Parts: sequence; structure tokens; C-alpha cells
Amino acid sequence: EAGVAQSPRYKIIEKRQSVAFWCNPISGHATLYWYQQILGQGPKLLIQFQNNGVVDDSQLPKDRFSAERLKGVDSTLKIQPAKLEDSAVYLCASSRPGGAKNIQYFGAGTRLSVL
Amino acid sequence: KQEVTQIPAALSVPEGENLVLNCSFTDSAIYNLQWFRQDPGKGLTSLLLIQSSQREQTSGRLNASLDKSSGRSTLYIAASQPGDSATYLCAVKETSGSRLTFGEGTQLTVNP
Repeated sequence: EAGVAQSPRYKIIEKRQSVAFWCNPISGHATLYWYQQILGQGPKLLIQFQNNGVVDDSQLPKDRFSAERLKGVDSTLKIQPAKLEDSAVYLCASSRPGGAKNIQYFGAGTRLSVL
Repeated sequence: KQEVTQIPAALSVPEGENLVLNCSFTDSAIYNLQWFRQDPGKGLTSLLLIQSSQREQTSGRLNASLDKSSGRSTLYIAASQPGDSATYLCAVKETSGSRLTFGEGTQLTVNP
């Protein structure tokens, strides 16, 4: 079974530029998550999708961050314009809906550096 | 607001030692608690998941315990190996559909 795929692995941009990240979840996983992990901290959930609907985006800075999950499969996360404090690793995860365990499987992440 | 704290932030031990990583959370009304491992440049891998009704879970050399009333969990690693070197994160889920709230992690180094 293929894991969660993310691209690119690394991205360096200057502040005020735009950037987009892509995620392909595990086949059959209806729930998709985007996390932001700042160096030395634990991941923080930005947005959670169930199929192509948003379940939780309460911690997404909506003035600059946006995400979509067209057709309930792949997802993109966009930052426009980027700030220095957006430097972090952006992790995508997916899980099957329901069930007591609902374990999330994580991709390798995209490391963003904003200069 | 749920807060998760992990102590220590970093730990260095010689190979073969048994060790304990600690996790505490402020709101004891949790649904489950998970321990993850994160290797440099890689995503997170789930190690153990404890439901709120359980006291512990074991997998190989790993044993995780949960004391909901005191808001604490421990991850015990027996006979540590250099391959155990990684960052260990704990995370709590407050309801079946809610987000995971992570601690900041413990960076473990096991020296040969």
C-alpha cells in the first residue's frame, strides 16, 4: 500500500511570495489533514477535510492560507503572501473515517523556508 | 484549551538502558492518546494508541501507560538501541472526531 505522497519536499521563497503544496492521500482514506510544524514544536492542525468538505479549519490563518480538496482525493495548501513566520514543515496526513482507532498516516512533509 | 507537555525535551542515553518519556495533558476528558515517532526529514509514525478506557498498550520493547485522572502518560522503552534515536511525540484526541493536540516532543539519542 502506497503511503501519503507530498511534493515538493523542500521550498525556499522570499517573503510576500506565494507557494503551494500538494498532497495525495492513501487510497480509500476519506479524511485528510494539513499540519504545520514549526522547528522544535509539535504539529498543529491547520485544516481537516472529510471527502471534499471542511471539518475543522479553526486554526487556519484564512487571510493568507487556503486549501482545497477537489474530488475528495488530492489536496493543495496555498500560502499567499508568505511571511517569515510561515517557515515550517507542512505535513499532510490521511485516515479512514470512523472506527475507534482512526489512526492518521503522515507524509514526509514539505519543508518551507521563507527568507 | 487542551495543552500537552512533554518532559524532558531531550534525552541522551547509552545503548541498552531502559528509559521513560513523560507526557502530561491539562484536560483529562480525552478520547485517546497516541505516541508517535518522528525521524529527521520524515513524517510521523504511530507507535501506540491508548483508548481512554485503557491503562496501557504494549508493542515489542515499547509500553505506554495512561492515567487519565492525573493527566499523564508515559512511554517506556526497554533495552534501548541506536535505532531508537528519534523525536517522540504524544498527542491527545478529545472526541472521536476532534483534532490531535500534540506535545513538543522529546528528542532521544541512544549512543552505541
